[in-house]
Amino acid sequence: QKEVEQDPGPLSVPEGAIVSLNCTYSNSAFQYFMWYRQYSRKGPELLMYTYSSGNKEDGRFTAQVDKSSKYISLFIRDSQPSDSATYLCAMSARSFQKLVFGTGTRLLVSP
Amino acid sequence: DTGVSQDPRHKITKRGQNVTFRCDPISEHNRLYWYRQTLGQGPEFLTYFQNEAQLEKSRLLSDRFSAERPKGSFSTLEIQRTEQGDSAMYLCASSLGDRPSYEQYFGPGTRLTVT
Repeated sequence: QKEVEQDPGPLSVPEGAIVSLNCTYSNSAFQYFMWYRQYSRKGPELLMYTYSSGNKEDGRFTAQVDKSSKYISLFIRDSQPSDSATYLCAMSARSFQKLVFGTGTRLLVSP
Repeated sequence: DTGVSQDPRHKITKRGQNVTFRCDPISEHNRLYWYRQTLGQGPEFLTYFQNEAQLEKSRLLSDRFSAERPKGSFSTLEIQRTEQGDSAMYLCASSLGDRPSYEQYFGPGTRLTVT
């Protein structure tokens, strides 16, 4: 079993929809949680990060962490076709340590 | 452009050949990471440097793989006697020493195809 599980999708939504992306993990030592966006044949781009449990909002993006359930989420409001990409969750146990990534969820937002 | 750069962007090689990739981190970033990403998967950690010291290596980094960061600036990743299973995107990331690990900035990657 992988340390981080993520549904690969694809997830298809119409423009303007609210998107919910999720990851579960098994390592209770993880404290740093991140979401990266990756366009085809490009490197990952950091979107959001959260330390420990709680919510964090940045524009149309909201990240949630529930450590008791070992479950993290990324919500995208008012989705746009330009949001079409693969979204990767990543986490680490301590600062400066390696990141452990999920498989990535491919999101398709249609006009 | 002051981001992480990687060279080459694409490499096609025949099985058994050696290849070397280069990563130039963001200026003054003292931490440098290498990851490997295969199709449909997330990046997997390979190795990590703080300045010129290689601090951690994954079990994925077999004896055929070697990474260096000789002066604490750019880094090279060499694969000897390439195998078809080495075909992947090789990603480099860097971060500043006083920032938590989530602030890793990735380069565009080097896509390796072994025929």
